[in-house]
Amino acid sequence: AQKITQTQPGMFVQEKEAVTLDCTYDTSDPSYGLFWYKQPSSGEMIFLIYQGSYDQQNATEGRYSLNFQKARKSANLVISASQLGDSAMYFCAMRGLGAGNMLTFGGGTRLMVKP
Amino acid sequence: GAGVSQSPSNKVTEKGKDVELRCDPISGHTALYWYRQSLGQGLEFLIYFQGNSAPDKSGLPSDRFSAERTGGSVSTLTIQRTQQEDSAVYLCASRPGRGSRETQYFGPGTRLLVL
Repeated sequence: AQKITQTQPGMFVQEKEAVTLDCTYDTSDPSYGLFWYKQPSSGEMIFLIYQGSYDQQNATEGRYSLNFQKARKSANLVISASQLGDSAMYFCAMRGLGAGNMLTFGGGTRLMVKP
Repeated sequence: GAGVSQSPSNKVTEKGKDVELRCDPISGHTALYWYRQSLGQGLEFLIYFQGNSAPDKSGLPSDRFSAERTGGSVSTLTIQRTQQEDSAVYLCASRPGRGSRETQYFGPGTRLLVL
């Protein structure tokens, strides 16, 4: 079975500062992928970044980067230069080998950016 | 191009009634997923379709839930004899194919309230 844990229910960050959202995972699958999604108040899940378990380098997408530490089973999301529009729920998810690579989600972190 | 669309965006129904939720995936995407997002359970996988293959129904919570996908495109999730615990946001996602690195793209969801 797969499990994703996000230990920060809510976080504040000052506008223009960087913030790290924590994600740890547990799986017995030898191959897996890790995703981060953003869910604003409108409800839509917006894909941010992906890291494959065999990728040698940490993924980056614009202001988003993923701090992947395989031995520690962590995949933290780093948002640089926070903007007011970054205020949202953030979900870490894992793609495994079951059910057509379905996603298992963590409980989410609510990020609030202060002006 | 157009993203995943879902209808209705909101649905209020009375306990015991049947409801149908619709998902239009991104054109050309062969993989389609349904998830449920509720306060108590977080985000849960419900069912997965790949092309014209038999669906993986391993996430459906009871036999009151069923889904079909016509012509490998549009999908309908049906909940029979709705209960108050069925109140949740039902999210649909699609993915291009069988590639394990492929991202799932989500629709805006249908917010179901069972009175």
